Amino acid sequence: GNSVTQMEGPVTLSEEAFLTINCTYTATGYPSLFWYVQYPGEGLQLLLKATKADDKGSNKGFEATYRKETTSFHLEKGSVQVSDSAVYFCALSDLSGGSNYKLTFGKGTLLTVNP
Amino acid sequence: ETGVTQTPRHLVMGMTNKKSLKCEQHLGHNAMYWYKQSAKKPLELMFVYNFKEQTENNSVPSRFSPECPNSSHLFLHLHTLQPEDSALYLCASSQPMGLNTEAFFGQGTRLTVV
Repeated sequence: GNSVTQMEGPVTLSEEAFLTINCTYTATGYPSLFWYVQYPGEGLQLLLKATKADDKGSNKGFEATYRKETTSFHLEKGSVQVSDSAVYFCALSDLSGGSNYKLTFGKGTLLTVNP
Repeated sequence: ETGVTQTPRHLVMGMTNKKSLKCEQHLGHNAMYWYKQSAKKPLELMFVYNFKEQTENNSVPSRFSPECPNSSHLFLHLHTLQPEDSALYLCASSQPMGLNTEAFFGQGTRLTVV
């Protein structure tokens, strides 16, 4: 079956620090990969996505590159801000049960950025 | 604002109560989902509806009963819940799920079963 493993956290950083949140996956097919973000008291929002190997998704200064050879999709940002404090979820979309596409999520990583 | 609205935002209910969660979207999507988010666990997909038809039920106990009267509305009817059912229940919608499909989530209903 499909699965997503991401670093457990919590991650605590100072403002302007470099961020990496690791994500690896297993999938039966050739999935698309996503990062979702959940700000306090909110639902999940799509942050970025990549649909094929070597694609780089980017948004709001965050980046992630689809690495098929290492089955990874690590999230990075060069300089985090207090407003980036949130829970980050790695996810994949792949066929499940032969005919239905399904989103599979990791457990989420809580990021806290201190001023 | 994602275009998916859930009510109520918070709900406290006793184990013998019956209540319903409501989800509404006007994004023109034809697929709607219920997810359960518990502390320290991955997001759990509960139900999927495509074009008002239930296409997935992930072995959810019968005390959770979904209803999808049209493509814009989704309900989750709750009865005789257990304290371990306390969680954040998230609704999402999308075009029918494909490889690149993005799901749009509501803000969730924080449910506490006492």
